[in-house]
Amino acid sequence: GNSVTQMEGPVTLSEEAFLTINCTYTATGYPSLFWYVQYPGEGLQLLLKATKADDKGSNKGFEATYRKETTSFHLEKGSVQVSDSAVYFCALSGQGGKLIFGQGTELSVKP
Amino acid sequence: NAGVTQTPKFQVLKTGQSMTLQCAQDMNHNSMYWYRQDPGMGLRLIYYSASEGTTDKGEVPNGYNVSRLNKREFSLRLESAAPSQTSVYFCASRSGDRLYGYTFGSGTRLTVV
Repeated sequence: GNSVTQMEGPVTLSEEAFLTINCTYTATGYPSLFWYVQYPGEGLQLLLKATKADDKGSNKGFEATYRKETTSFHLEKGSVQVSDSAVYFCALSGQGGKLIFGQGTELSVKP
Repeated sequence: NAGVTQTPKFQVLKTGQSMTLQCAQDMNHNSMYWYRQDPGMGLRLIYYSASEGTTDKGEVPNGYNVSRLNKREFSLRLESAAPSQTSVYFCASRSGDRLYGYTFGSGTRLTVV
């Protein structure tokens, strides 16, 4: 069945450091891929998405490229800020449009 | 503001009690979902409703029931709460196109003692 695997956290970085959060998936067909962000005490917000191979999603300085050959959708940001501290979820849209989530990666950015 | 509204935000139940979590969306979305979030396990789908009048089981439906009251509202009921149902519950909705992501509510933190 469809599944999503994320790198384990927590990830702790200094401000202005480069961020990579790895995400790989297993799916039949051609799923859409998403990154969601959850700030403390809040619900999930869509951060970015990609709907087909080689698409690059981007938002707020974050980027992720849909790599079909490696079944990956890694999240990157060139220079993180304290305000980026949150939990990040990778997800795919599978059969019937249901979202399947990875386990989440907690990011903590120190000043 | 348009979005998904969940009530209540917090709830403490005793084992065996029942309750209903309410969810409403005002975006005219067809599909609605209930997830639970537990540490280290991401979000797991409990039930979903692809359209008004239909509901289907997700990954972890045991101990829950749902009602799609109309296009706007999708409620989740715990008939006899158990400590294993202590979790944060999120409702979400989506338009018909699977290319678009979900809009999530702010969650209900439920503790069963």
